[in-house]
Amino acid sequence: EVQLVESGGGLVQPGRSLKLSCAASGFTFSNYYMAWVRQAPTKGLEWVAYISTGGGSTYYRDSVKGRFTISRDNAKSTLYLQMDSLRSEDTATYYCTTSAGAYWGQGTLVTVSS
Amino acid sequence: DVVMTQTPPSLSVAIGQSVSISCKSSQSLVYSDGKTYLHWLLQSSGRSPKRLIYQVSNLDSGVPDRFSGTGSQKDFTLKISRVEAKDLGVYYCAQTTHFPNTFGAGTKLELK
Repeated sequence: EVQLVESGGGLVQPGRSLKLSCAASGFTFSNYYMAWVRQAPTKGLEWVAYISTGGGSTYYRDSVKGRFTISRDNAKSTLYLQMDSLRSEDTATYYCTTSAGAYWGQGTLVTVSS
Repeated sequence: DVVMTQTPPSLSVAIGQSVSISCKSSQSLVYSDGKTYLHWLLQSSGRSPKRLIYQVSNLDSGVPDRFSGTGSQKDFTLKISRVEAKDLGVYYCAQTTHFPNTFGAGTKLELK
């Protein structure tokens, strides 16, 4: 059974950092481009960042460039999102997903507030 | 960025009815390999999104054939025949042809 399990969300003050993790199982993680998608409360879905199979190529939406870093450890089948200089508009549920949306995690809530 | 325009924003349906959702993109979604990376997802209340259809018309495993996807280039449609209660939620189209990938704003399917 395919599983993607996110962790690391929580309440954080503006300007601080948070690191999300996503543990994958049930499929060959290293064969898939991976992505983080977020959903602000009561809003739609928004792609945040992607990473190639080997980790050599990464892509970010403009609003997070220079603040967020996506990475992966294929040996541990784990995806990461390092989020620095967090802003209130980053408040959302963050989902880990394969890049074409075939598999999704349950999401982890990040709340940026003082 | 490619803009995905979904209509209608909401639909009220009776069980057993059929409905269609439209998704139009601001650019062609045909990739250089000739494939079209347009997908449909359903997010049921309080749940994670689940992909139903990939590359316009291919049903994901376990998705009933009451769901069908059609379209090409910039114009796509999701049809649900004989709607069941478990089909309710928000439907999104998504394109992964161009970076950044983008979603439609969603169509909320509710019970009449």
